[in-house]
Amino acid sequence: DTGVSQDPRHKITKRGQNVTFRCDPISEHNRLYWYRQTLGQGPEFLTYFQNEAQLEKSRLLSDRFSAERPKGSFSTLEIQRTEQGDSAMYLCASSQPTRNEQYFGPGTRLTVT
Amino acid sequence: RKEVEQDPGPFNVPEGATVAFNCTYSNSASQSFFWYRQDCRKEPKLLMSVYSSGNEDGRFTAQLNRASQYISLLIRDSKLSDSATYLCVVNAPHAGNNRKLIWGLGTSLAVNP
Repeated sequence: DTGVSQDPRHKITKRGQNVTFRCDPISEHNRLYWYRQTLGQGPEFLTYFQNEAQLEKSRLLSDRFSAERPKGSFSTLEIQRTEQGDSAMYLCASSQPTRNEQYFGPGTRLTVT
Repeated sequence: RKEVEQDPGPFNVPEGATVAFNCTYSNSASQSFFWYRQDCRKEPKLLMSVYSSGNEDGRFTAQLNRASQYISLLIRDSKLSDSATYLCVVNAPHAGNNRKLIWGLGTSLAVNP
């Protein structure tokens, strides 16, 4: 399977714990995006990378959220000191250098108890 | 005005019906337009890119009206498997970055036997 992959698919954590998610984009895609989605809402943009550079970060993203893409391939999204409001589906997408179409991974569903 | 607006529905139609969704966008500089489909608790999947001349893919037809800043999706001969949420997506050019996508909240379609 050469699509976008995400790990884990599900994560249950207690409030206050840190969690880290991984995304592996389609291999020839140099752009990688993180979104958050809650029930009944469209995907909410969090941040995006072009190669290893983080080019934009949503103002909605608090200091507890950080993302990296150290070698321009896979990316990680870390949430520190999780809160119940962080419960959501975290989606990763990637796109080709000259195209705007984004292709999504299956998402990581986070539940904070 | 929201950047991308859609009627949330739900649209309930019988099998075989024709159904149309509209979407309006606020940024006149937008150049890329898409319809994505999202099944419950799954990731969004690209359904169609929308071109200025309009485009058709089997039972699905997409149209773009730049003057009025809206795009539409027409589904003919609807199938039970078309039941999903349809997300209107538009790029948001700003600060030299035209890769950021703005997502509508989605229109829910239920096709009934």
